[in-house]
Parts: sequence; C-alpha cells; structure tokens
Amino acid sequence: AQTVTQSQPEMSVQEAETVTLSCTYDTSENNYYLFWYKQPPSRQMILVIRQEAYKQQNATENRFSVNFQKAAKSFSLKFSDSQLGDTAMYFCAFFSQGGSEKLVFGKGTKLTVNP
Amino acid sequence: EAGVVQSPRYKIIEKKQPVAFWCNPISGHNTLYWYRQNLGQGPELLIRYENEEAVDDSQLPKDRFSAERLKGVDSTLKIQPAELGDSAVYLCASSFGPTNTGELFFGEGSRLTVL
Repeated sequence: AQTVTQSQPEMSVQEAETVTLSCTYDTSENNYYLFWYKQPPSRQMILVIRQEAYKQQNATENRFSVNFQKAAKSFSLKFSDSQLGDTAMYFCAFFSQGGSEKLVFGKGTKLTVNP
Repeated sequence: EAGVVQSPRYKIIEKKQPVAFWCNPISGHNTLYWYRQNLGQGPELLIRYENEEAVDDSQLPKDRFSAERLKGVDSTLKIQPAELGDSAVYLCASSFGPTNTGELFFGEGSRLTVL
C-alpha cells in the first residue's frame, strides 16, 4: 500500500517569503502521479500542481514548482512571493493507475502567511 | 462550467440519528469519490464509483454506511445510525474516468457534527 508523509504539520511565514513544503512517499509502483492540493479555510480543495513520475523534469505552474526526487521518493513544493491568499492546508497526494486508482493523501501542512 | 455540488454544507445531529449527503459531480465525469476528512487530517477514501458501479468500497464501514449512485450521475452517502466518531467533513470528488490521472475535482464538502 502506498503511504504519503508530510513532516511539517504547521508552517508560518511572512508575506513575500519563499515557502518550501516537504513530502515523502512510499510505493513499489513505477508509474504514478504526484500532486499538491490546496484547501483554503472552509473552501474546496483545488489542484496546485501535478508531476508525472516518468518525467524527469520538475513541474512548474506560475509561482509554484516542485522538486521531484524519484529515487529518494521525495516531492517538495516551493513557491515564491507568498501572499495572504496562500494561507491554507496543503496536501501532498499520490495516484497510481495500475494500483487502486485512488488518491492517497498525506496529513497536510497548515500554512499561514502573515502580513 | 458548474463544479462539484454537495449538500448540505453543514449538518448537526444527535448520535443514533440518520443522515444523508448528496453530491452532483461535474457533467461528463464518470468517476465519483466519497472521502472522509477528520479534523486536521488528510482525506481518506470511503468509496469510488465508475459510472453506477462501486469499484472500491473496501474502506466503507458497511454496518452503518451506505452509498448509491443511481443512473451514474448523482450520488448519496448515508449514515445510519450516526456515532460520535462520524463527525468529519465528507468530501465528494469527480474525475473523467477514461483518462483518470488522479486529478480530482472536489466539492466544498459536508461538515457533520454528531452530538
């Protein structure tokens, strides 16, 4: 069974700072997808960024980028110029088409961006 | 395009009472998920549907939980009788099945409080 671990339960930063959220996972699969989802307070969860495991190049999406280390099974999210609207829970998630085809989430990191 | 719609947003009941949650997925999405999210935790899958067929209900507590997806569109999740430990947010999500790569679209969730 796949597991996803987020070792930072909470993080607090000042506006405009750069944020790095860490995530590790465990799987025996070779083809899979990794995600970062954002869940603002009392609002729906939305996709931030996606990484296909077969791609060596790290995914980027506007201010957001990932550092994907397949051998180390590490998948961190980095974004610059943090804004008050970035305050949210951030979940790392794993998906395998050849496995159970369910999205497996970590426990999340609660990020607070302070003015 | 309308997103995933869930109702009710909030529900407070006493233990041993029944409760039902409703979900309308994005049009054309044939895969539907129900997740449970306990406070401060990541979502955990309860059941996954492909059209009207429940293809993964291994994590659904079948003694008190039931779900249905008639005609492969809307879905209802029921708890009867509710217990104190069922207090959580129940998330519905959908995806386009044939090319499912784990990108799920979530509703705002139904927050259940059992007293």
